[in-house]
Amino acid sequence: EVQLVESGGGLVKPGGSLTLSCVGSGFIFSNAWVSWVRQAPGKGLEWVGRIKSKPSGGTTDYAAPVKGRFTVSRDDSKNTAFLQMNSLKTEDTALYYCVIGWYFDHWGRGALVTVSS
Amino acid sequence: EIVLTQSPGTLSLSPGERATLSCRASQSVSTYLAWYQQSPGQAPRLFIYGASTRATGIPDRFSGSGSGTDFTLTISRLEPEDFAVYFCLQYGSSPMYTFGQGTNLEMK
Repeated sequence: EVQLVESGGGLVKPGGSLTLSCVGSGFIFSNAWVSWVRQAPGKGLEWVGRIKSKPSGGTTDYAAPVKGRFTVSRDDSKNTAFLQMNSLKTEDTALYYCVIGWYFDHWGRGALVTVSS
Repeated sequence: EIVLTQSPGTLSLSPGERATLSCRASQSVSTYLAWYQQSPGQAPRLFIYGASTRATGIPDRFSGSGSGTDFTLTISRLEPEDFAVYFCLQYGSSPMYTFGQGTNLEMK
């Protein structure tokens, strides 16, 4: 069974930093393209960023609102992907989902990030 | 950026009825369109990809159609567990994925 488990969420002040982790199991993690998708409270879904598998180049892409502030990385030896978030803004408050696949086949349960003073 | 517009925003129907949800793209995405169901407090779940292919375990009362800019998710006979929010996603202009704003399918 495919499982994705996010961790690292919490409360952070504006301008602060936070790093989320996503551990995958039940599939070959090193072959997976991993995306992060967020959902602000009571709102819709927004793609944040993605890292390709190393066989596909391992490159990263980001949505405009987070480019330059967020970084997606991976450690295939630990079946883990990361979302490093810097210069956080109140509008970054959301539930952050770790997702795999080209069309987002599988989702984690999410990690809540609250940016507030 | 490709914008996806879903309609209606809210759809009120009764169990046993047929539901038709629409997703319109601001430019062609071919058939790179997926549908997700999100129940309260749950992560989204993939239901349809490639505009019309059901994901593993999805009942055949769910069907997707369309190509280019106009897409439809049809639920032939609503079951109580089908009442949820449905999102569409375009992955044709990857990596710039975009979601529709969602349709809330509520029980009348």
